[in-house]
Amino acid sequence: QVQLVESGGGVVQPGRSLRLSCAASGFNISTFGMHWVRQAPGKGLEWLTVISLDGSNTFYADSVKGRFVISRDNSKNSLYLQMNSLRSEDTALYYCARMNYHEYNALDVWGQGTTVSVS
Amino acid sequence: DIVLTQSPVSLPVTPGEPASISCRSSQSLLHSDGHNYLDWYLQKPGQSPQLLIYVSSNRASGVPDRFSGSGSGTDFTLKIRRVEAEDIGVYYCMQTLQTPPMYTFGQGTKLEI
Repeated sequence: QVQLVESGGGVVQPGRSLRLSCAASGFNISTFGMHWVRQAPGKGLEWLTVISLDGSNTFYADSVKGRFVISRDNSKNSLYLQMNSLRSEDTALYYCARMNYHEYNALDVWGQGTTVSVS
Repeated sequence: DIVLTQSPVSLPVTPGEPASISCRSSQSLLHSDGHNYLDWYLQKPGQSPQLLIYVSSNRASGVPDRFSGSGSGTDFTLKIRRVEAEDIGVYYCMQTLQTPPMYTFGQGTKLEI
């Protein structure tokens, strides 16, 4: 069964750091680009960042550039998001998602999300 | 950055009736490969988003054929031929054209019975 499971969320004080993890099962992430997307309480979806197959290329939304770092460990079939200098506006449900090149980069598999509260 | 504007924000519907959602882009989403890099997602209440349509008009695996996508350039439409109760939720369009990657979602359209 193809699945993504996020973990690592929690309550953190402003200015502190947190590291999210996304464990993949049922497929090999080394053949997929991977994304993080978040959703603030009661709000819409916000794309955050993407990482290439081997991790050599990463791109970020302006809202998190310079504070968040996406990485991956293909040997562990896992994706990560290091979040530094957290702000109250980073409070959200964080999803990891798989980018399917066969579907022209659409995000075809999503995790259930992990909640981050900055307070 | 590319801005996507969806309308309406809220869409009351009656089961069995059709529904249509618009997504307009601030820039053309037509790639040199001939595809429009505009996808549609549905987030059902309490669930993660799920892919419905990719590159404007291709249904994702398992998506019922009552869902269809169309459009090119800057104007796109998601249509539901006959709405069913299970279709309620928030629909989002998303562009994946911009390079270097700076993807964006529309603000969402809430479909309610």
